[in-house]
Amino acid sequence: NAGVTQTPKFQVLKTGQSMTLQCAQDMNHNSMYWYRQDPGMGLRLIYYSASEGTTDKGEVPNGYNVSRLNKREFSLRLESAAPSQTSVYFCASSGDRARLGYTFGSGTRLTVV
Amino acid sequence: EDQVTQSPEALRLQEGESSSLNCSYTVSGLRGLFWYRQDPGKGPEFLFTLYSAGEEKEKERLKATLTKKESFLHITAPKPEDSATYLCAVQASGNEKLTFGTGTRLTIIP
Repeated sequence: NAGVTQTPKFQVLKTGQSMTLQCAQDMNHNSMYWYRQDPGMGLRLIYYSASEGTTDKGEVPNGYNVSRLNKREFSLRLESAAPSQTSVYFCASSGDRARLGYTFGSGTRLTVV
Repeated sequence: EDQVTQSPEALRLQEGESSSLNCSYTVSGLRGLFWYRQDPGKGPEFLFTLYSAGEEKEKERLKATLTKKESFLHITAPKPEDSATYLCAVQASGNEKLTFGTGTRLTIIP
């Protein structure tokens, strides 16, 4: 089925550990995004990539890095996890200037202890 | 700065009881306003895009409308399966990024 695939679905990290969240889409979309969702704060943009080879900061980029590996894949890395990064992370993609909105993955629930 | 405010935060309705969810927004030139549905433990699912004031879109029991300052998601004769969080987002002109509201959690009681 066409869509956005995120791995892993769940992860528990200790403070200071690093990890990479993976995202892949098979809809030939140019743009990809990473959001975090926290209770009462809605979806907040971490980083986005308008095309292969380009990345830009969103609203809450501190503590994160991204890589647009190719047109299909966009990864999010936490170099030194902190409890404040406990959240649900969503990857999304869009085509044609996002006229039809985004297609979201099913999310990664990350807990940092 | 683009802003989206949704109200109410939560809404409980009896099955068959119609109501509306509100999305107020400020944006520097609206390219599009989007409605999403999100079920627990899942990613948001696209419902509608509205582009200009006066536009309406319908899907089953849902109808979305748009004015220059707000959008409404009307739900008619809801069923328990309509229970979900409904998210509103805006896209500014010349920008692909969406700014989301915090959502309305809708519960339909059988």
